[in-house]
Amino acid sequence: GESVGLHLPTLSVQEGDNSIINCAYSNSASDYFIWYKQESGKGPQFIIDIRSNMDKRQGQRVTVLLNKTVKHLSLQIAATQPGDSAVYFCAENGSGGGADGLTFGKGTHLIIQP
Amino acid sequence: KAGVTQTPRYLIKTRGQQVTLSCSPISGHRSVSWYQQTPGQGLQFLFEYFSETQRNKGNFPGRFSGRQFSNSRSEMNVSTLELGDSALYLCASSRPSGSNEQFFGPGTRLTVL
Repeated sequence: GESVGLHLPTLSVQEGDNSIINCAYSNSASDYFIWYKQESGKGPQFIIDIRSNMDKRQGQRVTVLLNKTVKHLSLQIAATQPGDSAVYFCAENGSGGGADGLTFGKGTHLIIQP
Repeated sequence: KAGVTQTPRYLIKTRGQQVTLSCSPISGHRSVSWYQQTPGQGLQFLFEYFSETQRNKGNFPGRFSGRQFSNSRSEMNVSTLELGDSALYLCASSRPSGSNEQFFGPGTRLTVL
């Protein structure tokens, strides 16, 4: 079946720097992508999403970029803070709508260095 | 607005037993999805319920089952537990059709001995 994966299992950045977390997907039919943040002992928390008809979407301190040509998704976090330490997952829903079961990547552990 | 709640938070069972986990979605949300999270396999979709009907199912054996009640609360059951069923089981709810955003609960940590 199709899968969604992340390039790096761990990313270490200095506090205040920008972080970029990458994700590759293989299902060209995917039309909706989401980034989740999971802190220790908690369930995944929605960060930002993007539909396939968009290339970029911005939120508060976060930006998601979608490159459909190379099937690549990235999450940019500006001015990284200690509270950003968590595991970040990309997920895709290729079914065209509704909660039809997200396919998650393995996750990237973001570590913030003081 | 209260978030998704799951009970119990922690559970220890032995091989061969069965277990039932409960999930209460956010008020007004009618879709409930279940996921299994393990270090090796990551987050994997189990099934999704909408209006008391299973609408989608992932690649898990028949030992994994679920149901949804008229108030949208959902339960999942795992029978004949195996050591490999040890995992964090997450429930997520979402609004009626048209929205893909899923809100996750804190999960139930199941340990099978």
